[in-house]
Amino acid sequence: GAVVSQHPSRVICKSGTSVKIECRSLDFQATTMFWYRQFPKQSLMLMATSNEGSKATYEQGVEKDKFLINHASLTLSTLTVTSAHPEDSSFYICSAPGGSSYNSPLHFGNGTRLTVT
Amino acid sequence: GQNIDQPTEMTATEGAIVQINCTYQTSGFNGLFWYQQHAGEAPTFLSYNVLDGLEEKGRFSSFLSRSKGYSYLLLKELQMKDSASYLCAVPLSGGYNKLIFGAGTRLAVHP
Repeated sequence: GAVVSQHPSRVICKSGTSVKIECRSLDFQATTMFWYRQFPKQSLMLMATSNEGSKATYEQGVEKDKFLINHASLTLSTLTVTSAHPEDSSFYICSAPGGSSYNSPLHFGNGTRLTVT
Repeated sequence: GQNIDQPTEMTATEGAIVQINCTYQTSGFNGLFWYQQHAGEAPTFLSYNVLDGLEEKGRFSSFLSRSKGYSYLLLKELQMKDSASYLCAVPLSGGYNKLIFGAGTRLAVHP
């Protein structure tokens, strides 16, 4: 089945530094990937759509200059949290659709637990 | 706009049956997904419904009523490993795979 690899799984960084999270589709191509953020005991909040070969589209309220997304190839999308602050501490999860139809489920990476100190 | 409502928490006994409800409001409808998420892990796909009725898949079944904007996930013969969050999600209109998730229902299965 379709596998999405995400790393690092866990990162601790100091306030003001930047953190890069990678998301790879291992056995299929993904022209689109989605980045979600999840706070403790809350649901997944869509942050942005990563588009191969074009700019990412961000959901309302998500700062595009803070959360930089680059979809470098058909199998790789990266999310960079710039100038991280403690309030950015969260669980970040990427996903890629298994197909282009509405009934294609999303395949999720295992998530990245970011802690900003 | 789109809105999804689910109960926050549920508890059930091992071996029992539990029904997790989800109501939704969407400007267009392109199906409804259920995902399971264990704490600290990624969600995994359980089911997709686009037509009215019950879809059975082993111990898990999912029901949809489009006219009522309502779905439920039915878990039978509960096992301890079923303790997890269950997320109801719908695609955004025109967004194909862009899913909007409900807040999730945390299910605790006890002996």
